[in-house]
Amino acid sequence: EPEVTQTPSHQVTQMGQEVILRCVPISNHLYFYWYRQILGQKVEFLVSFYNNEISEKSEIFDDQFSVERPDGSNFTLKIRSTKLEDSAMYFCASSGRQGSSGNTIYFGEGSWLTVV
Amino acid sequence: EDQVTQSPEALRLQEGESSSLNCSYTVSGLRGLFWYRQDPGKGPEFLFTLYSAGEEKEKERLKATLTKKESFLHITAPKPEDSATYLCAVQAYNDYKLSFGAGTTVTVRA
Repeated sequence: EPEVTQTPSHQVTQMGQEVILRCVPISNHLYFYWYRQILGQKVEFLVSFYNNEISEKSEIFDDQFSVERPDGSNFTLKIRSTKLEDSAMYFCASSGRQGSSGNTIYFGEGSWLTVV
Repeated sequence: EDQVTQSPEALRLQEGESSSLNCSYTVSGLRGLFWYRQDPGKGPEFLFTLYSAGEEKEKERLKATLTKKESFLHITAPKPEDSATYLCAVQAYNDYKLSFGAGTTVTVRA
């Protein structure tokens, strides 16, 4: 079973600090995503990434956020100057390709971020 | 804007008591409708993708169906290990992102 892996599983940070969440997508996938889920709420889209650039982002994904694929395997989400309302579970996801077949989007187990 | 509404919010079943979950959606051209299972504190686990009205897919005790306005997830003779939150999400034809519903939390009692 292919797997998206995320680190850390849980991070506590002080308000105003920078946080980097890391993900290793499935090895032959081309599309990468970050989603978040505030406790008790829906899973929300943040950003999608393809061919080394952002392909789409939501209103949530403002200048506080950035993504990077620093090498051939990792995909990171950086949150600058964290706020209390950034506390959430952040999910990385990946898929092989868009299209009418084989479009399976796999999610990691998540990184739980607590801002205090 | 894409909208996904799931009902009921919660469902309590006796082991072996079959039932259905509903996902109503509004999307500007559907590329795919996704069903996921989510256990507490975990990431969504992929179950099915449906692409066109009339399509059905099965996996163990789960069967997903799709019409032009809604999808159903049928749980046949559930077991306690089927207890989870089931999430529905849509992907529009001209889009990459998934838009999720709030989920249906299913509890199966032995």
